[in-house]
Amino acid sequence: DAKTTQPTSMDCAEGRAANLPCNHSTISGNEYVYWYRQIHSQGPQYIIHGLKNNETNEMASLIITEDRKSSTLILPHATLRDTAVYYCIVRVEAAGNKLTFGGGTRVLVKP
Amino acid sequence: DTGVSQNPRHKITKRGQNVTFRCDPISEHNRLYWYRQTLGQGPEFLTYFQNEAQLEKSRLLSDRFSAERPKGSFSTLEIQRTEQGDSAMYLCASSPSRDSPLGAGYTFGSGTRLTVV
Repeated sequence: DAKTTQPTSMDCAEGRAANLPCNHSTISGNEYVYWYRQIHSQGPQYIIHGLKNNETNEMASLIITEDRKSSTLILPHATLRDTAVYYCIVRVEAAGNKLTFGGGTRVLVKP
Repeated sequence: DTGVSQNPRHKITKRGQNVTFRCDPISEHNRLYWYRQTLGQGPEFLTYFQNEAQLEKSRLLSDRFSAERPKGSFSTLEIQRTEQGDSAMYLCASSPSRDSPLGAGYTFGSGTRLTVV
């Protein structure tokens, strides 16, 4: 699986959009970009994933650059409950593959 | 079914003792994974099962570690002769054979936090 690079930490104001960048310059054509988050004392939680097109669900939006070498996770209206570590992972869409986590971005949403 | 269940949530043990953790996956999921997470780091893959078969083991899984899934349902992770370096959060996850929808089917439990004193 391709390696990803994320900022170590970032702060965000409550109610504002949080934009979380991820670099994955060595991504292969058959690798998807996945985002998970881990709230304190809980297991990681799936947020969203995509291959080439931008994706949106009830939790977030995922913007993938045209060359697929980087992506941005957008939390449109951050709340205090969004304080967590966010992990960007790239992996092949194969059933049952293990997930390879990096250090993630520690996001602190401030009132 | 409320998700992946792990027991106990916390375990404190003395160095040299054996410990066993249990994971109950989502009932229709036939794949089960174990991960280890130390403070400030992302989870690291240890092993996974397809039904009762253990299909992959990480080099992190030393001889003191053993995992089982005897009937393809719940799984246990045992650590023998615990060392202080084994202190970590042990996470279990499960997934169907095919993610449906992709990605969202991979579900983690809340983990068992092990402290070796």
